[in-house]
Amino acid sequence: KAGVTQTPRYLIKTRGQQVTLSCSPISGHRSVSWYQQTPGQGLQFLFEYFSETQRNKGNFPGRFSGRQFSNSRSEMNVSTLELGDSALYLCASSIGTSGSTDTQYFGPGTRLTVL
Amino acid sequence: AQSVTQLGSHVSVSEGALVLLRCNYSSSVPPYLFWYVQYPNQGLQLLLKYTSAATLVKGINGFEAEFKKSETSFHLTKPSAHMSDAAEYFCAVSSFSGSARQLTFGSGTQLTVLP
Repeated sequence: KAGVTQTPRYLIKTRGQQVTLSCSPISGHRSVSWYQQTPGQGLQFLFEYFSETQRNKGNFPGRFSGRQFSNSRSEMNVSTLELGDSALYLCASSIGTSGSTDTQYFGPGTRLTVL
Repeated sequence: AQSVTQLGSHVSVSEGALVLLRCNYSSSVPPYLFWYVQYPNQGLQLLLKYTSAATLVKGINGFEAEFKKSETSFHLTKPSAHMSDAAEYFCAVSSFSGSARQLTFGSGTQLTVLP
């Protein structure tokens, strides 16, 4: 079974621009979560989508948004980029309905650099 | 709120020596705990998970972890380190808000294996 895929793997943008990252979950998984990883803040939860609905959201400004499509693929968007948005953005997928033991499987990440 | 603390941001061991990476959790409900490993420029790979079925959990690559409620700990061990184990290791706890879920990660432990 194919794993979680993320595109693109690397992105370079300038301040003020916007960016869209894409994530394709494991086949059969309906939940997609996004995390930001930085050296200073570590791994932080952004949001979770399940069946095209945002089910949970972390403590990030409104510039960070996402959506999920009917095939469970998800995109996240960051508008008005700031230098501090430079990070590795990780997507994780899970079945989403198996309760508290539901396991998240991660993609390789998208490395975003903001200049 | 649930949280995890990883003691020791850097751990060095000699090849063939015991690996011990420490994780303590804080949770007001029975926790579901995970260990992930991250190799350079890659996403997170699941090593093992605790879901209350057994206190000693065996994972991939010879790793195991023991859940100790009295000590609120979930330390990761491997009897004999291999050069390929050099990576960053993250302990995580799964938390829920209604049906939504998210992983809260520790700050990570960088494992160096010396020849």
